[in-house]
Amino acid sequence: TQLLEQSPQFLSIQEGENLTVYCNSSSVFSSLQWYRQEPGEGPVLLVTVVTGGEVKKLKRLTFQFGDARKDSSLHITAAQPGDTGLYLCAGAKNQGGKLIFGQGTELSVKP
Amino acid sequence: NAGVTQTPKFQVLKTGQSMTLQCAQDMNHEYMSWYRQDPGMGLRLIHYSVGAGITDQGEVPNGYNVSRSTTEDFPLRLLSAAPSQTSVYFCASSLQGGETQYFGPGTRLLVL
Repeated sequence: TQLLEQSPQFLSIQEGENLTVYCNSSSVFSSLQWYRQEPGEGPVLLVTVVTGGEVKKLKRLTFQFGDARKDSSLHITAAQPGDTGLYLCAGAKNQGGKLIFGQGTELSVKP
Repeated sequence: NAGVTQTPKFQVLKTGQSMTLQCAQDMNHEYMSWYRQDPGMGLRLIHYSVGAGITDQGEVPNGYNVSRSTTEDFPLRLLSAAPSQTSVYFCASSLQGGETQYFGPGTRLLVL
């Protein structure tokens, strides 16, 4: 049973398109993190959201934490080939608790 | 700082063999964890530790043992390797649980 469900699992788009990746759960999380992983490497943190309704921007990436702290989304504007990679969401149910990961979204941006 | 280091990078085992995957961090992090990554499954937590001398099970602990005798090191032992343990293994550390995880480069394990 996956505590965090990510969708879509695979996404192949053209350069310049916009996209949204979703991370959903029936559980409440104290915080939610988004990571990006490139082939042959470990995941690297992009952002952490902790407050319900919080929105964070990282250049062309916009992250949102749901009001009820059960879901999150990652929106990429004008995707570029350099955005290609595996995007993972991860949640902690309580502060200091273990981190649970979603299945990941494999993004491919074609020039 | 080297961050999180893992050895070996690649390993091929025969069914029934044992081995230890090494993990070390030099950031004085209290929390360390082991994940396995399989296609379409994301990262699944195997074992974790909130500090030296303390370990606990994650989602998929069967077939794996860990120990945490020092803050820096968190080895993962496969007692009797099975083909189902073919995977990429990542070690991670953080100041505390639930905070930013810093990952090692991974160990690719093939069990024949």
